[in-house]
Amino acid sequence: AQTVTQSQPEMSVQEAETVTLSCTYDTSESDYYLFWYKQPPSRQMILVIRQEAYKQQNATENRFSVNFQKAAKSFSLKISDSQLGDAAMYFCAYRRKGNTPLVFGKGTRLSVIA
Amino acid sequence: DVKVTQSSRYLVKRTGEKVFLECVQDMDHENMFWYRQDPGLGLRLIYFSYDVKMKEKGDIPEGYSVSREKKERFSLILESASTNQTSMYLCASSLVLRTSEQYFGPGTRLTVT
Repeated sequence: AQTVTQSQPEMSVQEAETVTLSCTYDTSESDYYLFWYKQPPSRQMILVIRQEAYKQQNATENRFSVNFQKAAKSFSLKISDSQLGDAAMYFCAYRRKGNTPLVFGKGTRLSVIA
Repeated sequence: DVKVTQSSRYLVKRTGEKVFLECVQDMDHENMFWYRQDPGLGLRLIYFSYDVKMKEKGDIPEGYSVSREKKERFSLILESASTNQTSMYLCASSLVLRTSEQYFGPGTRLTVT
């Protein structure tokens, strides 16, 4: 079974600085998808960024980017120029090819210090 | 914008009660999901449905059942609520596409006393 590991239960970052959240996963598949979701306090979970495993290029969405290392099965999220609104729980998720559900990590709580 | 709504934000029930959690999505998504979220455990899949009247067990289906009579609605049923089912319940929906993301509802915080 696929598993997703987020080794940092909590992280903090100074406003305007850069922070990287770690995620590793275990799979024997070669074609799959990876996601980072954000859950702000008392608000709905939203997608931050996604990556298709067959694409070499790392995905980028404004201040959010990933470092996808397929051989190492690593998928870290980098947040640049951190803002107070980035404070949230961040979940890494994996989905194998086909119409299958997501497998989530346990999450990393990010605090942003003004 | 996709909208996923859940019938209650907060719910308090007694042990042994039958509990219904309702989820509705308005974007004609084929897939719908129920998760429970507990501190330190992340999101764990209870059930998912890929079509009307179709369902698949997730990682923790014990003590739960589901119903999907219409495409837009997916219900989670706790047949006899127990205190260890106190949790946050999240509903989600998605299209059947390669890179389709899941859209989440606001969650229902259920307390069983």
